[in-house]
Amino acid sequence: NAGVTQTPKFQVLKTGQSMTLQCAQDMNHNSMYWYRQDPGMGLRLIYYSASEGTTDKGEVPNGYNVSRLNKREFSLRLESAAPSQTSVYFCASTRDSPANTGELFFGEGSRLTVL
Amino acid sequence: GENVGLHLPTLSVQEGDNSIINCAYSNSASDYFIWYKQESGKGPQFIIDIRSNMDKRQGQRVTVLLNKTVKHLSLQIAATQPGDSAVYFCAENFGGSNYKLTFGKGTLLTVNP
Repeated sequence: NAGVTQTPKFQVLKTGQSMTLQCAQDMNHNSMYWYRQDPGMGLRLIYYSASEGTTDKGEVPNGYNVSRLNKREFSLRLESAAPSQTSVYFCASTRDSPANTGELFFGEGSRLTVL
Repeated sequence: GENVGLHLPTLSVQEGDNSIINCAYSNSASDYFIWYKQESGKGPQFIIDIRSNMDKRQGQRVTVLLNKTVKHLSLQIAATQPGDSAVYFCAENFGGSNYKLTFGKGTLLTVNP
């Protein structure tokens, strides 16, 4: 049982390049999330998906797009990377209500540097 | 600004002592509050949560206290161990069923042997 798997773990981009962060969970969760973590800022929600086929903006969605490919996979795309998007990105998923206690299951993170 | 914040950004304790990590929140409509632990290079890991209609909840070596009067949340770790060294985040949820958590900035706990 792998939980939440993110790829790649590390990536260096040049300004203007595009890339996609991949996330997959094997826990049969409906809800999935993408957060970014910056020093001194905690984790901030970029996008989330409450179920397959639906996505919604979080706190900091600008510059990102997401795709909920199926129940297992939720990808995050940077179309034109900017230095301000240098961060550590975390994918997470949750159980469905009413069993959900607020526990997010996080991946190990993807560290992105934009030069 | 953020709705959830921490009183102490760093905390250093001796092994075996009890640790108390504090958190202030501003949204009185939050449904519940959660504590996460993040070890270096890893994703956050759920520790314990508490619903807004509770004052106290205990887990294994951890206790969370909620004081709604002053909008304060704390995490107590008993007999702190070196393996407890990590960054601890409080988070609140007021987004209904979608669990869009708002995280605080985190407290770094260092346990000295």
